[in-house]
Amino acid sequence: DAGITQSPRHKVTETGTPVTLRCHQTENHRYMYWYRQDPGHGLRLIHYSYGVKDTDKGEVSDGYSVSRSKTEDFLLTLESATSSQTSVYFCAISELAGVRDTQYFGPGTRLTVL
Amino acid sequence: QQQVKQSPQSLIVQKGGISIINCAYENTAFDYFPWYQQFPGKGPALLIAIRPDVSEKKEGRFTISFNKSAKQFSLHIMDSQPGDSATYFCAASTGTGNQFYFGTGTSLTVIP
Repeated sequence: DAGITQSPRHKVTETGTPVTLRCHQTENHRYMYWYRQDPGHGLRLIHYSYGVKDTDKGEVSDGYSVSRSKTEDFLLTLESATSSQTSVYFCAISELAGVRDTQYFGPGTRLTVL
Repeated sequence: QQQVKQSPQSLIVQKGGISIINCAYENTAFDYFPWYQQFPGKGPALLIAIRPDVSEKKEGRFTISFNKSAKQFSLHIMDSQPGDSATYFCAASTGTGNQFYFGTGTSLTVIP
């Protein structure tokens, strides 16, 4: 599982509240990613990081921010959660597999916004 | 828009049969095509991957077929088993650390 943990694993919150999801990795990977998974949309990239304090937007970044102050931790924040952000969130790292980097995923966080 | 188009959305196969999932892309800069398998409540797990310099890659019962000119690739699961019942995602990417673009997923059910 590439040493990736996510917390919390499940969260229920109310519209308008801030929410922070944490991704922790133990193997010093440079690249980390946040995805959301929704039926009919597959996995969509929210933000990614290519080093401490180096982050960039993905396909669906509106309403989300990220921070990476340490190599091992990548935080995803919903500043003011909305019902459209109800989803399963996956963190991933990039690791060399054979001759190419590939992505390995954490166990996911199921977020429900009421 | 969807960078990688995947079909079918769902698939039901009898035990012992062949499961086939198809993906298509437009960006000719893609040079790495992995497939992921996801069981309920789990994260996607890398199943098999191919680069465009080969037309086929086989690992056990799983085979990727790649058609560079048609910009299509497919996953074949031979002798499908109930334990193969899962959601499968194709993906495409370019370069180190670059974004992966995922298909919308195929829910496979293998009937005993």
